[in-house]
Amino acid sequence: ETGVTQSPTHLIKTRGQQVTLRCSSQSGHNTVSWYQQALGQGPQFIFQYYREEENGRGNFPPRFSGLQFPNYSSELNVNALELDDSALYLCASSFKTGGRVDTQYFGPGTRLTVL
Amino acid sequence: KQEVTQIPAALSVPEGENLVLNCSFTDSAIYNLQWFRQDPGKGLTSLLLIQSSQREQTSGRLNASLDKSSGRSTLYIAASQPGDSATYLCAVEEGAQKLVFGQGTRLTINP
Repeated sequence: ETGVTQSPTHLIKTRGQQVTLRCSSQSGHNTVSWYQQALGQGPQFIFQYYREEENGRGNFPPRFSGLQFPNYSSELNVNALELDDSALYLCASSFKTGGRVDTQYFGPGTRLTVL
Repeated sequence: KQEVTQIPAALSVPEGENLVLNCSFTDSAIYNLQWFRQDPGKGLTSLLLIQSSQREQTSGRLNASLDKSSGRSTLYIAASQPGDSATYLCAVEEGAQKLVFGQGTRLTINP
């Protein structure tokens, strides 16, 4: 059983650019959630994807968007990067059935720095 | 809006001591509460998950309790070791959609 993996590990971008972060779910999982963790803070929920559709969203602007693919891997896209987007981006995969989501397993994260 | 608070923000204790980390939440309508460990610059490792109908969970030297009515949870670590040094996060699940996290307690165990 493979765990949750994320790529890249680190990324440096400049203001106004666009970035794509990737996440491979744990085998057998059908749900992916993305979180943003600023330095010294707890993670904040961005959105969740279930069966390739967005299934809940936190308080993040539309320039944060995502995709989930048939193999349940996922992408997080951020357009028009701002300095405050600098953070550790975590994805978590889980198995959802009957409206309930089981324990979420987190990846190691992608550290994004916006200059 | 659910808010999760963890006290203290940082804690430093000598090796071997028993310690308690605290977590409080404002809305008792939760599905479960989870404690995570995070090493510097790394992802999260789930330690214990307490369903809303449960009062406590134990794993090895860790014991977590949940009092939904008062909006509180504690994580008890027995016989602390230097390898326990990390940031500990608690999170409540409001629904099948999201976890709401506290800011964490940064724990240092001194040899």
